[in-house]
Amino acid sequence: GQSLEQPSEVTAVEGAIVQINCTYQTSGFYGLSWYQQHDGGAPTFLSYNALDGLEETGRFSSFLSRSDSYGYLLLQELQMKDSASYFCAVYNQGGKLIFGQGTELSVKP
Amino acid sequence: GAGVSQSPSNKVTEKGKDVELRCDPISGHTALYWYRQSLGQGLEFLIYFQGNSAPDKSGLPSDRFSAERTGGSVSTLTIQRTQQEDSAVYLCASSSSYGVSGNTIYFGEGSWLTVV
Repeated sequence: GQSLEQPSEVTAVEGAIVQINCTYQTSGFYGLSWYQQHDGGAPTFLSYNALDGLEETGRFSSFLSRSDSYGYLLLQELQMKDSASYFCAVYNQGGKLIFGQGTELSVKP
Repeated sequence: GAGVSQSPSNKVTEKGKDVELRCDPISGHTALYWYRQSLGQGLEFLIYFQGNSAPDKSGLPSDRFSAERTGGSVSTLTIQRTQQEDSAVYLCASSSSYGVSGNTIYFGEGSWLTVV
């Protein structure tokens, strides 16, 4: 089967750093993606890791360890607009993209 | 078009009626996905089309749900004999490929379905 686990909610203050973890079980792993979704909006792509290590894009970084079936999304210098739901998602061998249940991030002033 | 287009954006239907939801992917995108999202929940995979290959229908929750993709472009998700538990946002997404390259998938704004 396929499953992804991530925390249901995280709270942090403006300017802080927050890490959202994701563990997964899937057949034929091809990569881990992260998506952001604001209330009422469509999910938008943030990052993708196919290989082990850290990928950095501005204030956001994503990490993958394939041997541990684990990844995380790191958000730095948090802003109020970062309050949203964050989903990890994995590609399996057939190209299907499966999402986790999402982590609701609340950024407080 | 510039992005993934879905219609209708909102649909209220009576229990037992059939509904059709349409998705127009980004031009040239070979992969097309349908997901369902209930209020405050994650994205539930429904079906995946890739080029001319047979679709992956493993996520369809019952035989009341079906989808087709005509000419490798527009897709229609059909829900027959709708039930109240079908109320959700139905999201369509497309991408140019999968795997290591061209990994980004682009979502439409969704079709909000309410069954009363």
